[in-house]
Amino acid sequence: NAGVTQTPKFRVLKTGQSMTLLCAQDMNHEYMYWYRQDPGMGLRLIHYSVGEGTTAKGEVPDGYNVSRLKKQNFLLGLESAAPSQTSVYFCASRDRYNEQFFGPGTRLTVL
Amino acid sequence: RKEVEQDPGPFNVPEGATVAFNCTYSNSASQSFFWYRQDCRKEPKLLMSVYSSGNEDGRFTAQLNRASQYISLLIRDSKLSDSATYLCVVNNQAGTALIFGKGTTLSVSS
Repeated sequence: NAGVTQTPKFRVLKTGQSMTLLCAQDMNHEYMYWYRQDPGMGLRLIHYSVGEGTTAKGEVPDGYNVSRLKKQNFLLGLESAAPSQTSVYFCASRDRYNEQFFGPGTRLTVL
Repeated sequence: RKEVEQDPGPFNVPEGATVAFNCTYSNSASQSFFWYRQDCRKEPKLLMSVYSSGNEDGRFTAQLNRASQYISLLIRDSKLSDSATYLCVVNNQAGTALIFGKGTTLSVSS
């Protein structure tokens, strides 16, 4: 039982490049989330999904897109990366008791 | 008023000390409350849920005051391993997501 996994763990991009972060969970959770964490800013919700095929905007959605084609996967896309998107990205899924389980994070640097 | 507010600290305490963290939240309709722990460069992990009647888990005690919209975490007999950032968490108005405070940093020294 791997819980929540994220790939890649680290990535360096140049401004304007695109990439997709993958999150996978094997706990059969309906709800999944993408956060970013920056020094002094705490965890901020980017997008979330309440089930397969559904997505919704969080607090800081601009510059990101998401897809939830399969229940176990939640993808976060950056179409044209900017230095302001340098951050640590965490994915999480939620059980029916509202406990959220986080992945280990992806450290992204945009030059 | 921010949705979840915490004193960022840092709190620097010796081993064996008792330390308390406080948190206030703005949404009176919130129904779910938690404390998460985050170690340096790691993902947040659930420390404990917070119930209306208050709850205890070993050296950790959590309290909720709905009237004042206030949550607390008490750590007794602090250990070096308690050094971490503690995040206060409440659910959003729709109940679809959790809102995280910025965290309170605790450093326990020998």
